[in-house]
Amino acid sequence: SQTIHQWPATLVQPVGSPLSLECTVEGTSNPNLYWYRQAAGRGLQLLFYSVGIGQISSEVPQNLSASRPQDRQFILSSKKLLLSDSGFYLCAWSVTGAMVYTFGSGTRLTVV
Amino acid sequence: SQQGEEDPQALSIQEGENATMNCSYKTSINNLQWYRQNSGRGLVHLILIRSNEREKHSGRLRVTLDTSKKSSSLLITASRAADTASYFCAPGGGADGLTFGKGTHLIIQP
Repeated sequence: SQTIHQWPATLVQPVGSPLSLECTVEGTSNPNLYWYRQAAGRGLQLLFYSVGIGQISSEVPQNLSASRPQDRQFILSSKKLLLSDSGFYLCAWSVTGAMVYTFGSGTRLTVV
Repeated sequence: SQQGEEDPQALSIQEGENATMNCSYKTSINNLQWYRQNSGRGLVHLILIRSNEREKHSGRLRVTLDTSKKSSSLLITASRAADTASYFCAPGGGADGLTFGKGTHLIIQP
């Protein structure tokens, strides 16, 4: 069966520090991968999506970047965190051609 | 995909009662999905309804879709404490990402 792993679950980072969040999917090949952010009191904001290795689409200009070094690995990064980067980050995947998304358990990032 | 707007933003009911929440959208769609998010967790897919369907059931869930009004409703019957969560609709969708609104925060009172 397919599973999605996201880590770490919580993270407290100082302003100006780098960030690396990792998401991996097991049990499927060539998934579509997504990064979302949920700020307090707001809806989910799509940050990046990828339909294949090395293919990254950015939805919102920001202090973040994404990479897909392997078929089932999606990484969210920042060189220097801002206070406004705090939030709940969710990774999701879907099968090409399908419409249902499966979400990971999320990473709670607090920038202090 | 487009963003749906859930209504109400918050809903508090007694355990055992039915809960109804609504979703409105702006442009024609091929399908609409509903997701649930428990506090501090990821979203979980509940149900997908296609544009040629008017109603769909899954356990205690009933979803309706009115394409003429560009709206959908999610009914949870015989609510339980475990139904306490935020509920999101996602109209349309494809490989370029689903778009979510702020959701309906449902609280089931014991």
